[in-house]
Amino acid sequence: TQLLEQSPQFLSIQEGENLTVYCNSSSVFSSLQWYRQEPGEGPVLLVTVVTGGEVKKLKRLTFQFGDARKDSSLHITAAQPGDTGLYLCAGVRYTGNQFYFGTGTSLTVIP
Amino acid sequence: EPEVTQTPSHQVTQMGQEVILRCVPISNHLYFYWYRQILGQKVEFLVSFYNNEISEKSEIFDDQFSVERPDGSNFTLKIRSTKLEDSAMYFCASSGMRQYGYTFGSGTRLTVV
Repeated sequence: TQLLEQSPQFLSIQEGENLTVYCNSSSVFSSLQWYRQEPGEGPVLLVTVVTGGEVKKLKRLTFQFGDARKDSSLHITAAQPGDTGLYLCAGVRYTGNQFYFGTGTSLTVIP
Repeated sequence: EPEVTQTPSHQVTQMGQEVILRCVPISNHLYFYWYRQILGQKVEFLVSFYNNEISEKSEIFDDQFSVERPDGSNFTLKIRSTKLEDSAMYFCASSGMRQYGYTFGSGTRLTVV
């Protein structure tokens, strides 16, 4: 069973376009993280959101944690080729130490 | 910027052999993890380690696997009697407080032939 579903699974856009990636679950999480992974490398933490409804901005990236703490979104404004990579959401529940990873969104930004 | 260091970066082993994957977590972190990622597939949880013992493990982490923190700095994953399907990237991660996300190492690519 997949606890965190991401959509879309694949996304190919032109440089300068905007995009949103979604991370959804039926479970409640105490916190949720977004990572970016490049081929052959480990995931790199982008942001952690811990409060329901929280919005965090990281330059052109905007992250939102749903009010009910079950979902999150990542919005990229004016995408650049350097944004290309696999985007993963991961959440930890109130019990246990395990982070559950989402299914991943593979983003390609075409120059 | 503190890093999680993994060695080796790539290991090729024959089926049935034992391998030890090594990790040096960030020094003041308290939670340690192993994850794996089969090529093109999702990141899968193997085990978490806290206070010198396993705190949680997945169904993948069977008797073939074991973890140790032998000297207070290294954190190892041992895979006994490797199988072809153990071929994957193995990532170590550490965390100071579990809610705030991990720092991942660059991974060890294990190839079982």
